[in-house]
Amino acid sequence: DIVMTQSPDSLAVSLGERATINCKSSQSVLSRSNNKNYLAWYQHKPGQPPKLLIYWASTRESGVPDRFSGSGSGTDFTLTISTLKAEDVAVYYCQQFYSIPNTFGQGTKLEIK
Amino acid sequence: EVQLVESGGGLVQPGGSLRLSCAASGFTFTGYWMAWVRQAPGKGLEWVANIKQDGSDKYYLASVKGRFAISRDNAENSLYLQMNTLRAEDTAVYYCAASGAGLLYWGRGTLVTVSS
Repeated sequence: DIVMTQSPDSLAVSLGERATINCKSSQSVLSRSNNKNYLAWYQHKPGQPPKLLIYWASTRESGVPDRFSGSGSGTDFTLTISTLKAEDVAVYYCQQFYSIPNTFGQGTKLEIK
Repeated sequence: EVQLVESGGGLVQPGGSLRLSCAASGFTFTGYWMAWVRQAPGKGLEWVANIKQDGSDKYYLASVKGRFAISRDNAENSLYLQMNTLRAEDTAVYYCAASGAGLLYWGRGTLVTVSS
């Protein structure tokens, strides 16, 4: 199984500042056949279902604000929120869909400082 | 409007069975792999199983393989999860989701509690 490890486990950032969440996979999730990274990011708020933010490691889902961006390739990935807003408080997860089981990271809890 | 509505959760004793259902609407159900994802109390998200558009391919988390069975009825736009020999560690909110490049559409989940 591919193990997904996020860092940090929790993060407190001031409003208007940048938040950065890292995700490392135990094996590469880059497909040689199509040069795509099979990596997605989700935002999960209490009482709501998770929301897809980013897929293919860096493609923003339709309707997701452009302050959210994803980067990285192979085994190391980053989710960046450029200017933190109060509504961004949530738990963020990375997930690989390169191989079965489609494992998630343990989650990063983002709070306001 | 896209909707995924799960049902069938509840309290069940260890060793018991439950069948979860997920009714889909507002998108082309037959165009997507479908998945079940769970979240145990106080824990993170865990992928459980998925099924190809035509039902021909199915994959499972190792800890549920042989106990859970995923299926779909494309005529009814519905996804199912038959859960047998349930254990305490299966206690979780179970979400159904439509899978493209990532899990694009999600239901609100149904709670399964395995306890005596």
